[in-house]
Amino acid sequence: AAGVIQSPRHLIKEKRETATLKCYPIPRHDTVYWYQQGPGQDPQFLISFYEKMQSDKGSIPDRFSAQQFSDYHSELNMSSLELGDSALYFCASSLWVGVNEQYFGPGTRLTVT
Amino acid sequence: RKEVEQDPGPFNVPEGATVAFNCTYSNSASQSFFWYRQDCRKEPKLLMSVYSSGNEDGRFTAQLNRASQYISLLIRDSKLSDSATYLCVVPRGTSYGKLTFGQGTILTVHP
Repeated sequence: AAGVIQSPRHLIKEKRETATLKCYPIPRHDTVYWYQQGPGQDPQFLISFYEKMQSDKGSIPDRFSAQQFSDYHSELNMSSLELGDSALYFCASSLWVGVNEQYFGPGTRLTVT
Repeated sequence: RKEVEQDPGPFNVPEGATVAFNCTYSNSASQSFFWYRQDCRKEPKLLMSVYSSGNEDGRFTAQLNRASQYISLLIRDSKLSDSATYLCVVPRGTSYGKLTFGQGTILTVHP
C-alpha cells in the first residue's frame, strides 16, 4: 500500500539558512500534519491542513510557514534556521480531518550546523 | 499534570513473556486513543486504535478505562521484533488533528 512520502530524507543546513521540506500524503488523504521530534523527545505537533486550508496550529515558530497545494502535497518552509531546529520532521496524513488515524511518513532529518 | 503520561521503562522481557504498559491522560473529553510503535530513528507506526472499552488484534490488546482515564496495552507471547518504543497517543481534547504523544515506553525483548 502506498505510504506518505517525504523529501528530502536528510538535510544539512547552516545557521540562518532556509530549508523546504516536502510531504506527499497517501492517495485520497486530504489532511496533512507536520510534527517535529527532537532527540529523545516525543513528536510535537506543528501545523495541519485540510483541503488546502490551515486546520490547526501548534507550536510552530514564526520562522516556519507551511501550505498545502491543490494536489494535497504540503511543504514546510523554515527560515533563519537555528541549531535548535535540528530534529526529525514527520509528515502524517489522514483520510479527512474528522478521522483521527494518522499515518506517518519516514521523516526528514534536519541537521543545522 | 502532563496531558499524556507513560511509564518510560525500559521494560526488558524474555521472548514469550506477556508485558503490559499503562498510559494516563488528563482530558476527560477525549474520545479516541491510539497506540503507535516507533523504532529507533523511524516514523511512528499505528498499532491500534481504541474508541470504546478496548480493542484486540492478535497478540495485542488495548483496554480503556474512562473512569480512571487510563489506557493499557498488553502484548502476549512477546517476539524479538516487538522491541521498540510504544507511544500512547491522544487527540487533544475534541480537536481533530492535534495528537498529543506520551513520552513512550521502551520495550526490549531478549532471547
